[in-house]
Amino acid sequence: KQEVTQIPAALSVPEGENLVLNCSFTDSAIYNLQWFRQDPGKGLTSLLLIQSSQREQTSGRLNASLDKSSGRSTLYIAASQPGDSATYLCAPNHGSGNTGKLIFGQGTTLQVKP
Amino acid sequence: DAGVIQSPRHEVTEMGQEVTLRCKPISGHNSLFWYRQTMMRGLELLIYFNNNVPIDDSGMPEDRFSAKMPNASFSTLKIQPSEPRDSAVYFCASSFRQGLVYGYTFGSGTRLTVV
Repeated sequence: KQEVTQIPAALSVPEGENLVLNCSFTDSAIYNLQWFRQDPGKGLTSLLLIQSSQREQTSGRLNASLDKSSGRSTLYIAASQPGDSATYLCAPNHGSGNTGKLIFGQGTTLQVKP
Repeated sequence: DAGVIQSPRHEVTEMGQEVTLRCKPISGHNSLFWYRQTMMRGLELLIYFNNNVPIDDSGMPEDRFSAKMPNASFSTLKIQPSEPRDSAVYFCASSFRQGLVYGYTFGSGTRLTVV
């Protein structure tokens, strides 16, 4: 059974800092991995998707890496802003090529102080 | 595109009552997922459908929960009878796959409170 762990559970940083969120998963037989953002009281927004054959994926100030063999992924946020404050969730996909199920970690709650 | 539409946004019901949550996926998406989110357990996958067919319902907690997808544009999650421990936010999500490109969109959720 896939288990996903995200460290740290919570993080508070001053504006402008670069930061790294960590995700580890126990079953490396994944098809891809996604990072999502969730604002309080809202649904989830997909940020980045990394295919199992890729090492990293970038979108603006966000960079996600994947080391499938060791069961690890990181989300790097450059020059953090107060608008980045949210919960970030990691979700490996065991869909075997189909639009299969995502298993979520508990998330890292980020607060960026102005 | 209105996104994934869930109704109602909030539901308060008494223990023992039947609750029905509704979801309209994005047109053209061929997979639909029901998740439950609580503080203690985080986001849990309850069931998912591919092309309207249930593929994996191993996350459905017990027989009180049932889900249907009668057509590509509508799904329901029913709890009968409801219990206080069912209180959570229930999310519906839909997705597509085109080659290696995936799209995964979540609805805004239904906050269920069972008293």
